[in-house]
Order: sequence, then structure tokens, then C-alpha cells
Amino acid sequence: QSALTQPASVSGSPGQSITVSCTGISSDVGSYYLVSWYQQHPGKAPKLMIHEGTKRPSGVSNRFSGSKSGNTASLTISGLQPEDEADYYCCSYVVRSTSWVFGGGTKVTVL
Amino acid sequence: QVQLVESGGGVVQPGRSLRLSCAASGFTFSNYAIHWVRQAPGKGLEWVAVISYDGSNKYYAGSVKGRFTISRDNSKNTLYLQMDSLRTEDTAVYHCARGRVPESYFDFWGQGTLVTVSS
Repeated sequence: QSALTQPASVSGSPGQSITVSCTGISSDVGSYYLVSWYQQHPGKAPKLMIHEGTKRPSGVSNRFSGSKSGNTASLTISGLQPEDEADYYCCSYVVRSTSWVFGGGTKVTVL
Repeated sequence: QVQLVESGGGVVQPGRSLRLSCAASGFTFSNYAIHWVRQAPGKGLEWVAVISYDGSNKYYAGSVKGRFTISRDNSKNTLYLQMDSLRTEDTAVYHCARGRVPESYFDFWGQGTLVTVSS
């Protein structure tokens, strides 16, 4: 199973909105609302930001939102803040192989 | 609060074995599937393996199948990863992560333990 495709980097100024895309194929991202997003600061454990494509866990800012269209999922960060600077990974469950596949990660930079 | 603490990492020669542990606390360990996810230095996340809440089902990534074995001891709230025939490409930080079923995401992660495979 190939990794999901994410842009290597995305940047924005404080207060702006940015979107990180995650492209897969019909058997992973395209099949089910089983896409999740993780934030990772350097040297830290990943943190769940979005699950089931659009759902935000308790405690995650409502500035983070998820969506999906066809074989592409997206994470949008609105009102960008300095603490949002981190690596972001998408992940999809692959039903036919009972496995999980991650995207290559996107470095979000706050200018 | 939910805590996952990995241990057992270190430097090992290619072809040798190593066993990682993940101690869980703050939740009913026996109710949850648990995963291993690794991250090579400077690289992205890679799913490694998962074990069901009762240990009856185990699934592996193709890159480790036949070499790694995931297991758990619910009486000790501990997850294990037995890694045999290690290769240099297995060098990574290994995280354990609590899994949510059937939604299939990872809701809490440990800090990880570093495994370095080098001669």
C-alpha cells in the first residue's frame, strides 16, 4: 500500500487560513470516512486533531476542521497561530488489507 | 489521564533481536486495541502492527510481517513488540498508540522509544 500524498510544506501568516491536502486512492481515502489527522511538534508524540474525516476530539480547537472530496481529504487551519507550526500527518484505514497508511507529512510554517 | 510509556529501545546489530514494551495506565487497557507506529529519523509515520483488545487478532505491515510479533498481557496492562532479524531500515522511534474501533484512528500516543540497528 503506497503512502498517501501530502504537500511537503504549507505556510501562512498569523490569522490566515491554510489547507493541507491528502490524496489517496479509491480503496483508502476514497472509500470510507476513516481518515484521521495528527499534529506533531518536534520531539513530541503525535496528537489526534481530526478523526472520521471531520470530527474534532474534545480539547482540540475549532480552528481545525476536516473535509473530504473523492480521493482527497483536507485539513484546514483557520486563524493561524504560532503554536500551530508543526508537522501534520493524514492517515487512512485500508479495509481490504486491515492496515493503516499515513501520508508523508506536511510541515506547516507560520510566517 | 491516559498514559502510554514505551521502553526497551537501544542499539542492536543487524540480524539480532529486541523486545519493546508499552506500559499503559489511566484507562481500561483490556478494552482497547493497541498499535505500534514507527518513525525513522527525519521521516514520516509508518504503521507497524495492531493487536485486538483480547489479543485474538493481530495484523502487521508488510515490511515487518514474519519478523515482528505483537503481543499483550492484559493482567499487566502492557503491550509488547518482539523484533527479530532486525535490519538497518528498522531504525526508528517506536510509538505505541491506543486504537479506536471501528472508527480506526489512534486517540492517544506514547512518546516513543528509539531503536537503532547498526553494526
